[in-house]
Amino acid sequence: QVQLVESGGGVVQPGTSLRLSCAASGLTLSSQNIHWVRQAPGKGLEWVAFIYYDAGDKQFTDPAKGRFTISRDNSKNTVYLQVDSLRVEDTAVYYCARDDGSFADLWGQGTLVIVSS
Amino acid sequence: DVVMTQSPLSLPVTLGQPASISCRSSQSLVHSNGNTYLNWFRQKPGQSPRRLIYRVSYRDSGVPDRFSGSGSGTNFTLKISRVEAEDVGVYYCMQSTHWPPFTFGPGTKVDIK
Repeated sequence: QVQLVESGGGVVQPGTSLRLSCAASGLTLSSQNIHWVRQAPGKGLEWVAFIYYDAGDKQFTDPAKGRFTISRDNSKNTVYLQVDSLRVEDTAVYYCARDDGSFADLWGQGTLVIVSS
Repeated sequence: DVVMTQSPLSLPVTLGQPASISCRSSQSLVHSNGNTYLNWFRQKPGQSPRRLIYRVSYRDSGVPDRFSGSGSGTNFTLKISRVEAEDVGVYYCMQSTHWPPFTFGPGTKVDIK
């Protein structure tokens, strides 16, 4: 079964860092461009970051620049999103999604990040 | 950034009746390659989003043909010909023509009257 599985979420304190993972099964991520999209509780969808299959290009939404890092380890079939200096407003479900040229045809189930003191 | 707007934001529907959601973009979504990258997603409660329509009018695999997308330039519409109970959820239009950033509409909540 082709799927993306996110992990790494949890309850963390403001100012700390977290690394989220997006692992693939049933498909080889090394040939896939991947997005991260987040959704704050009760809110809409917000695109966060994008990485090309070879990590040759990375893009971020303006609020994410400077605190978010996107990377990948194709040998582990995994894409990562590191978030530094976490803020309360980063509380959200974080989804990874595969780009197929029309944004995303395959999404993971999401991982919940709660930033709270 | 391209701003996406949707109307209505809440849509109570009657089973078996048609439904329609409008989406507008702040600038034309026609790409320099001639394609228009306007997509529709549905998110059911507690689930991940699922794409229903890509490039204005192409249905994703497994999407019932009661769903159709249309439009051009800055005005787009998602139509459900006959609403079924499983169609409830929040529908988002989003553009992937002018990026970064990729931008979503605010969502339209569809529920049964």
